[in-house]
Amino acid sequence: EVQLVESGGGLVQPGGSLRLSCTASGFSFSDYSMNWVRQPPGKGLEWVSHISRSSSTMYYADSVKGRFTISRDNAKNSVYLQMDSLRDEDAALYYCAKYSSATNPYYGLDVWGPGTAVTVSS
Amino acid sequence: DIQMTQSPSSLSASVGDRVTITCRASQTIGSYLNWYQQKPGKAPKLLIYAASNLQRGVPSRFSGSGSGRDFTLTINSLQPEDLASYYCQQSHSTPALTFGGGTRVQIK
Repeated sequence: EVQLVESGGGLVQPGGSLRLSCTASGFSFSDYSMNWVRQPPGKGLEWVSHISRSSSTMYYADSVKGRFTISRDNAKNSVYLQMDSLRDEDAALYYCAKYSSATNPYYGLDVWGPGTAVTVSS
Repeated sequence: DIQMTQSPSSLSASVGDRVTITCRASQTIGSYLNWYQQKPGKAPKLLIYAASNLQRGVPSRFSGSGSGRDFTLTINSLQPEDLASYYCQQSHSTPALTFGGGTRVQIK
């Protein structure tokens, strides 16, 4: 079964740091670029970051640029999101998601994890 | 940045009704438009890709159309299990993806 499972969420104070992990199974992880998408409580979806198959390129939403860092370890079938200088507005459920096509990124995100919750509060 | 505007933000319809949700892009995006369904407490699920292609395993009562700036998701014969929020997402500027604000579908 194709599966993604996130971990690492929790309660952190404003200005603090947190590292999220996402572990993949059931597909050839190294063939796919990966994304993080977040959803604040009761609100819509916001794309956060992308990393290419070989980690050669990374992209970030303007709202997290300079504060978040995406990375991956293909040997461990895992992608990570290092979140620094956290703000109140970063509180959300964070999902990792894979593209439906290894060669065509235009065809949407077909597998999502259940998400890991990040709460930012003093 | 490409902005995506969905309407309505919520709707209520009866079982068996035909439901239409629209999505407009701030600039032309060709057919680079995907639709997702998110049931309460669950992760989003890909329904339609490239504007009009049904993802494998998705019931045929779901369909998508449009190109350029204007797109539509149609649910023919609404079912109780279709209670969910629906999001459009542009992939024209991939990897920088943008989602619409969502449409909450309730059953009367």
